[in-house]
This record gives sequence, C-alpha cells and structure tokens, in this order.
Amino acid sequence: AQSVTQLGSHVSVSEGALVLLRCNYSSSVPPYLFWYVQYPNQGLQLLLKYTTGATLVKGINGFEAEFKKSETSFHLTKPSAHMSDAAEYFCAVRYSTSGTYKYIFGTGTRLKVLA
Amino acid sequence: DTAVSQTPKYLVTQMGNDKSIKCEQNLGHDTMYWYKQDSKKFLKIMFSYNNKELIINETVPNRFSPKSPDKAHLNLHINSLELGDSAVYFCASSQRTVGPTGYGYTFGSGTRLTVV
Repeated sequence: AQSVTQLGSHVSVSEGALVLLRCNYSSSVPPYLFWYVQYPNQGLQLLLKYTTGATLVKGINGFEAEFKKSETSFHLTKPSAHMSDAAEYFCAVRYSTSGTYKYIFGTGTRLKVLA
Repeated sequence: DTAVSQTPKYLVTQMGNDKSIKCEQNLGHDTMYWYKQDSKKFLKIMFSYNNKELIINETVPNRFSPKSPDKAHLNLHINSLELGDSAVYFCASSQRTVGPTGYGYTFGSGTRLTVV
C-alpha cells in the first residue's frame, strides 16, 4: 500500500534559518514524489517533483528536496527562510493503479517563519 | 490567464439544499480531479475524469455527482447538503498521458463550502 507521512504538523523557524520539512513514503513501486505549497486561501502550487534521474531536485523559491531510496524519504529544504515562505506544505506520492495514476497527499506541515 | 478556475470561491448554504461547483481548465490537460480538504487540511481525492471518462471514484456519498461535459470542464453537484460537507473543494488537472515523466497537478484556488 502507498502512504505518505509528514513528520511535524507545525514547524517554526527564524527568518534566515534553515528550513527542513520531513516526508517519508511507503510505495511498492518506484514512486514519483512531489512537494506542494498552499498559501492561505489559495490552491496548491507545485514546488518540485522527483520522477527519475538525479536524486537532488531543485524547485521554485529556492527549495530543494533529496530522494533517498534507502530511507524512503523526500525531505524538503531551503537554506535560508524568508517571511514569504510561511505556508502549508504537502508531500505527495503518485503511483499507478488500474491503468491510471493516483496521488496520495500527506497531512501537511504548516511552516511559520519568525522575524 | 487562469489555468484552473473554480466558481464560486465561497458558497454558504443551508442543509438539504442542492448546489454545484464548476471547474474549468485551459491547459489542454486530459485529466481532471476533485479533492476535498477538511478542516485539518487533509486532502482526499473524490473523483477523477480522463477525457470525460470517470476513472477514479473514491468512496464518497452518492449525493456527490461529478459531471464532465468535455475534457476542459469537471463540475461537482451535491444533493441534500449536510453539515459534514463543509470543507474546501479543490479542482485540479494534469496530463495523464505524458508517459513516465510524471507531471504534477495544477490546482484551482478552491471553493469554500459552508453548510449551515
């Protein structure tokens, strides 16, 4: 069965500090992995994705994530937090089932950036 | 240009009413989805259509019925609304047939449904 676990429903960092949002997945097949960001009262936006190839993936707004198969992880990082990074972040895994694709989302991590 | 647009953005209605939410995408994607996000921000897929054909139908009450007149539109009709239906509903689209490259979704901005 496929699943996604995001550790920490709330994360607070100081402005300029490292951002680390954790995501672990469970998948019986090679997964495609995604990070989405949701700003207040808005829909989700794709930050970055891993499909195949390079395990370190760079996304928008200075975020990056590394796919570690041995740890079944896809943690999201940013070297220096900005106030505008405050939002909800969702990790998701995509897999195939019955000839179609299905996504499972984690429960989200709310990032708070302190001045 | 709005890629995935949903209307209305807010919807407040009484229990027992019937309401519809509309979704349109201008990305040329062949697959559209409806997701429900509850008060705890948990996202759960409800339906998925590919080229007007229903391909995912999760366990949701029969009161929810999706309709896809063409591949650019996926509407959600809800009958006999209940308090528990209050949530934010997101429409999304993707290109399913792109092969192994695995594109992500493009989401609409959501419809906040409040049932009173």
